[in-house]
Amino acid sequence: GAGVSQSPSNKVTEKGKDVELRCDPISGHTALYWYRQSLGQGLEFLIYFQGNSAPDKSGLPSDRFSAERTGGSVSTLTIQRTQQEDSAVYLCASSSAGWTSGGYEQYFGPGTRLTVT
Amino acid sequence: QKEVEQNSGPLSVPEGAIASLNCTYSDRGSQSFFWYRQYSGKSPELIMFIYSNGDKEDGRFTAQLNKASQYVSLLIRDSQPSDSATYLCAVRGVGNQFYFGTGTSLTVIP
Repeated sequence: GAGVSQSPSNKVTEKGKDVELRCDPISGHTALYWYRQSLGQGLEFLIYFQGNSAPDKSGLPSDRFSAERTGGSVSTLTIQRTQQEDSAVYLCASSSAGWTSGGYEQYFGPGTRLTVT
Repeated sequence: QKEVEQNSGPLSVPEGAIASLNCTYSDRGSQSFFWYRQYSGKSPELIMFIYSNGDKEDGRFTAQLNKASQYVSLLIRDSQPSDSATYLCAVRGVGNQFYFGTGTSLTVIP
C-alpha cells in the first residue's frame, strides 16, 4: 500500500476487556514500531520489530501488553484486561532497514484511538 | 535525564518571521536526527532528517546539527499560519531505537 494503515481507527471498550490493534506497514519495510500517545503528551515507545530478530519489548508498560508480527509484515498489539489508563492513541510506524536514504526515517500510520470506559 | 529534550513552548511568531525550534539529546552515539510535524488530532509526519554536522535545507525548512554540542535545531523561514503545529524532535540511537521529545507547540500569528 501507499502508507502505513491501522485498524480500527477508533475503539471503545469496557474496563477488563481485551483489545487487538492492527498495523499494516509500508510494503518492504522491515522495521515496525508501536508507540502510545496520551492526550497532550509525547510519544511513548512500546515495542520494535526488525526483520526476523527478537523484538525490543523494553517499552511495554506491563505484562498485559503484547505484540506480534506475522510473516515480517502485519503486526498486532494486544492489550489484555484493559484499564482506564490505557486510553490513548496507539501509533504504528515503519521504516526501511537500509541506508538507501541515509535516515532510517519512520512513517506513521493514522493511529487507533482507544477509549476504555 | 530524558534522552531527547525540547522546550514545550508554546512558541508564537508572526507570519513571515523565522521560527526556531531546538532540541538536545543525551546519547553521543546517536546517528540520525529527525523533525516531525504533528497537527492536532493527526499522526506525526516527517519534515526532515539530518545525520551530518552542519545545515540541511529543504524549501523553507533548515535543519542544523551540532554533534559536539549534542543539539539539533529546525528553522522555518517565512512562517505561515499553516505551520502552526507541534514539532517533534526524534533521535535514532544505536540499535535502531528511536527517542522522541515531547514536542514544541508553534503558533504562527497572521
